[in-house]
Amino acid sequence: AQRVTQPEKLLSVFKGAPVELKCNYSYSGSPELFWYVQYSRQRLQLLLRHISRESIKGFTADLNKGETSFHLKKPFAQEEDSAMYYCALSGGSGGSYIPTFGRGTSLIVHP
Amino acid sequence: EPEVTQTPSHQVTQMGQEVILRCVPISNHLYFYWYRQILGQKVEFLVSFYNNEISEKSEIFDDQFSVERPDGSNFTLKIRSTKLEDSAMYFCASSGPGAGNSPLHFGNGTRLTVT
Repeated sequence: AQRVTQPEKLLSVFKGAPVELKCNYSYSGSPELFWYVQYSRQRLQLLLRHISRESIKGFTADLNKGETSFHLKKPFAQEEDSAMYYCALSGGSGGSYIPTFGRGTSLIVHP
Repeated sequence: EPEVTQTPSHQVTQMGQEVILRCVPISNHLYFYWYRQILGQKVEFLVSFYNNEISEKSEIFDDQFSVERPDGSNFTLKIRSTKLEDSAMYFCASSGPGAGNSPLHFGNGTRLTVT
């Protein structure tokens, strides 16, 4: 079974501080991991996926298979980063491609 | 940029009534999904649809739920006899035309309130 755990419901930081949103997963095969973001009054949208290995809006996430984690990081938070962040997992080859979402972490960046 | 559109944005209905939530996926996408999010809880998978049939469904998607692609552009979710616990935000999503692991594109959601 696929499971995604985001242990923090809320993360509150000041502008310029580093941010790490935690995501741990449970999956027996090789997963594909995603981070989705939902800004206020906007739709859920893809932020980044692990296979792209790219930085989007200053955010990065590294898949750590040993720790089964895919934490989202940004060295210097901006006020416009305030949003709900969802970690999601889908099965790779041979698994279910249906993404399973974590419960989300609300990031608030204070001025 | 093409978007998934959902109507209505807010639906209020009485317990026991039927509701139909509508979605127009992105035109060249092949995979369609419904998810729901009860207030304060996680985004939960309901059903996926590919090649004009259900490809996967969750335990939540019982006989009260059905999906349809009536005309090649719309993708609907019907709840036959709504219950109070069906109150939630319902999100439609689509992906493709590549493999099923393509990222999902979500609509803005329909907030369903059952009274």
